[in-house]
Amino acid sequence: AQRVTQPEKLLSVFKGAPVELKCNYSYSGSPELFWYVQYSRQRLQLLLRHISRESIKGFTADLNKGETSFHLKKPFAQEEDSAMYYCALSGFRNTGTASKLTFGTGTRLQVTL
Amino acid sequence: NAGVTQTPKFRVLKTGQSMTLLCAQDMNHEYMYWYRQDPGMGLRLIHYSVGEGTTAKGEVPDGYNVSRLKKQNFLLGLESAAPSQTSVYFCASSPKTLQIDYGYTFGSGTRLTVV
Repeated sequence: AQRVTQPEKLLSVFKGAPVELKCNYSYSGSPELFWYVQYSRQRLQLLLRHISRESIKGFTADLNKGETSFHLKKPFAQEEDSAMYYCALSGFRNTGTASKLTFGTGTRLQVTL
Repeated sequence: NAGVTQTPKFRVLKTGQSMTLLCAQDMNHEYMYWYRQDPGMGLRLIHYSVGEGTTAKGEVPDGYNVSRLKKQNFLLGLESAAPSQTSVYFCASSPKTLQIDYGYTFGSGTRLTVV
């Protein structure tokens, strides 16, 4: 079974402070990890994928297989980063079929002045 | 390019009523999904489809039925709505791929209240 854990329901930081949203996973195989973001009253949108090793809107995330983690980081928080963030896992590499993403419960990031 | 479109956006049902949620995508994606989003529980997979004419159960399928008669449409039905089905429903789609999982494109959601 695959499982994604986001231990923090709410993370409140000041503008300009570093951000780290935690994500841990459980999966017996090679997972694909994603971060999705949902801004207020908007649809979920893909923020980044671990396989791309990209930086989107200043956010990065590194897959740590030893610690089974995929934490999302940003060095300096901005007000516009306030949103709900979901970590998600796909077993695509093992099944070769539909993604069937498993989502964590989400962390609300609140950036204050 | 509309992406994934869900209708309706809001609905209030009485217990026992039935309704169908429509999801339409114009990206020629092979896979489609229905999730429900509840506070503190994240998104949970209800049903999914790997192609036209095929559907499969997800994590929380009870009380729901789905159909995919056309590749671009994925319908979610509630035959007899219950208050426990009050939720925000998201449809998503993804392309068929052999090597890289590109993730989902989501619809804007349907907020359903069952009273």
